[in-house]
Amino acid sequence: KAGVTQTPRYLIKTRGQQVTLSCSPISGHRSVSWYQQTPGQGLQFLFEYFSETQRNKGNFPGRFSGRQFSNSRSEMNVSTLELGDSALYLCASSLAPGSTEAFFGQGTRLTVV
Amino acid sequence: KQEVTQIPAALSVPEGENLVLNCSFTDSAIYNLQWFRQDPGKGLTSLLLIQSSQREQTSGRLNASLDKSSGRSTLYIAASQPGDSATYLCAVRQNNAGNMLTFGGGTRLMVKP
Repeated sequence: KAGVTQTPRYLIKTRGQQVTLSCSPISGHRSVSWYQQTPGQGLQFLFEYFSETQRNKGNFPGRFSGRQFSNSRSEMNVSTLELGDSALYLCASSLAPGSTEAFFGQGTRLTVV
Repeated sequence: KQEVTQIPAALSVPEGENLVLNCSFTDSAIYNLQWFRQDPGKGLTSLLLIQSSQREQTSGRLNASLDKSSGRSTLYIAASQPGDSATYLCAVRQNNAGNMLTFGGGTRLMVKP
């Protein structure tokens, strides 16, 4: 059974650009969550999607957005990139909200220059 | 607002030692608690999930306990090996918060041969 797949693994972008990251959850899992990991702030929750609906959102500016498709794959988008957006972005997959174990992908390392 | 703290932040032990990693949380209204391992630059690997009604979970050389009323969890690693070297993270899932996880800052473990 394939795990959580995140693409691309690495990205280098320039300030002011936008970026889209992709996450394919484990087959059968319908809940996808996104996290940002930085050395200074640790792991912080961005948002959660279930059945194509955003269920929860963390304390991030509106430049961070996401969506989920009918096949449960999810994308997150960051517009007007800032140097501080450089981070490891991690996607987590779960069967459903609340009850079950979260499985993480390998992450996308975003560097903003 | 839930806050999760992990002590110590870093730990270095000789191979073969038994060790305990600590995790504390401020709001006891949790659904479950999950322990993860993270190798440098990689994603998170789920180690153990403890539901709020459980006291402990075991997997191989790992044993995690949960005392919800006092807001504490411990991860016990028996007979440590150099391959156990990694950062260990605990995360709690609040009641009525879907799959949003609140993470501690992690304990960076080094096991010396």
